[in-house]
Amino acid sequence: RKEVEQDPGPFNVPEGATVAFNCTYSNSASQSFFWYRQDCRKEPKLLMSVYSSGNEDGRFTAQLNRASQYISLLIRDSKLSDSATYLCVVNKATGANNLFFGTGTRLTVIP
Amino acid sequence: GAVVSQHPSRVICKSGTSVKIECRSLDFQATTMFWYRQFPKQSLMLMATSNEGSKATYEQGVEKDKFLINHASLTLSTLTVTSAHPEDSSFYICSAIKGGPTDTQYFGPGTRLTVL
Repeated sequence: RKEVEQDPGPFNVPEGATVAFNCTYSNSASQSFFWYRQDCRKEPKLLMSVYSSGNEDGRFTAQLNRASQYISLLIRDSKLSDSATYLCVVNKATGANNLFFGTGTRLTVIP
Repeated sequence: GAVVSQHPSRVICKSGTSVKIECRSLDFQATTMFWYRQFPKQSLMLMATSNEGSKATYEQGVEKDKFLINHASLTLSTLTVTSAHPEDSSFYICSAIKGGPTDTQYFGPGTRLTVL
């Protein structure tokens, strides 16, 4: 079983729509969680960390459900510039930096 | 900020040759650098973890004699793909952290390697 699993999409949504991505992770001992954004042929960039209490950054909201080993990302009022691949990332090690990346969910926002 | 650069950004080489990729932290000293590989439509896979002045730690399935990593200073790590073959064609990305082991990883822009 993969460490991190995501629906690859693609998700094609109109501008202004709300879209949600989900991700599951296999190791219940995982320590920290992130969403990264990766544009085509570019490096991944940290979008936000994901906390147990849930966190929001502008139009982006991330949620973590440890019991279900499930992470979500909600994007409200989608912009054309949100078109990218969204990577779910899990650090499963304590005191170390072992990041495991999902394959990503491709989002295209359509005018 | 925390800027990481990679050089070259793109390289095409013949099968059997060796290719060196540099990863530099431009505005901070990196205690640890990481090397990843990403094949098309696949996730980033960690290849190795590199600490300055010590031997790299390779992930299972990554041949240390084929992917030579040198971390000579706190701002530079190099990955050399020796005797490259077409199946080594991939997007190689490095990342670096400035502080403790759980610090945020800052990624370089990646190097696209094509082996003919």
